[in-house]
Amino acid sequence: AQSVTQLGSHVSVSEGALVLLRCNYSSSVPPYLFWYVQYPNQGLQLLLKYTTGATLVKGINGFEAEFKKSETSFHLTKPSAHMSDAAEYFCAVSEASGGSYIPTFGRGTSLIVHP
Amino acid sequence: NAGVTQTPKFQVLKTGQSMTLQCAQDMNHEYMSWYRQDPGMGLRLIHYSVGAGITDQGEVPNGYNVSRSTTEDFPLRLLSAAPSQTSVYFCASSRTGGETQYFGPGTRLLVL
Repeated sequence: AQSVTQLGSHVSVSEGALVLLRCNYSSSVPPYLFWYVQYPNQGLQLLLKYTTGATLVKGINGFEAEFKKSETSFHLTKPSAHMSDAAEYFCAVSEASGGSYIPTFGRGTSLIVHP
Repeated sequence: NAGVTQTPKFQVLKTGQSMTLQCAQDMNHEYMSWYRQDPGMGLRLIHYSVGAGITDQGEVPNGYNVSRSTTEDFPLRLLSAAPSQTSVYFCASSRTGGETQYFGPGTRLLVL
């Protein structure tokens, strides 16, 4: 069975600092991996995803994530935080089970950006 | 394309009342799902459907019913509302469960 752990319910950074949001997963087969962002009072939207191929994935707004199979991790990074990055971030994993893929979401990490 | 639409945006119910949250998508997606979002709990899967006529339970199905008579629509029914069902509800769709999920704007439900 798959599960997703996001370390830290809140991460606080200064504007211009590195952003690192951690995601670890458990899966019995190679999964598909996703990061979504949720701005206040909105639904979730895709930041980036990994399915196959290159393990370093680039997404929107300067974010990227690296799939590390040996560490079962898919951490999200951005070199320089901007005030507009303040939002809730969700890691999700989807693996095949009984012929279907059912995604599982982490509990989310709230990114706080200080001026 | 409208994407995923949800109605209503906000609803207040009294304990014991029933209601239906509507969800529709115009992307011809086979996979649709309902989540509830509560502070500190992330997104929890209520029910999902891999195609018209097929539904299954997620992590927190008690108190909710779904049906999928068409590809486009996936309504969520609250049978007898309880204060514990106060939450924000999101509908999502995708070509398959392994692909990018497209989320609606959410329905805020308050049960008194």
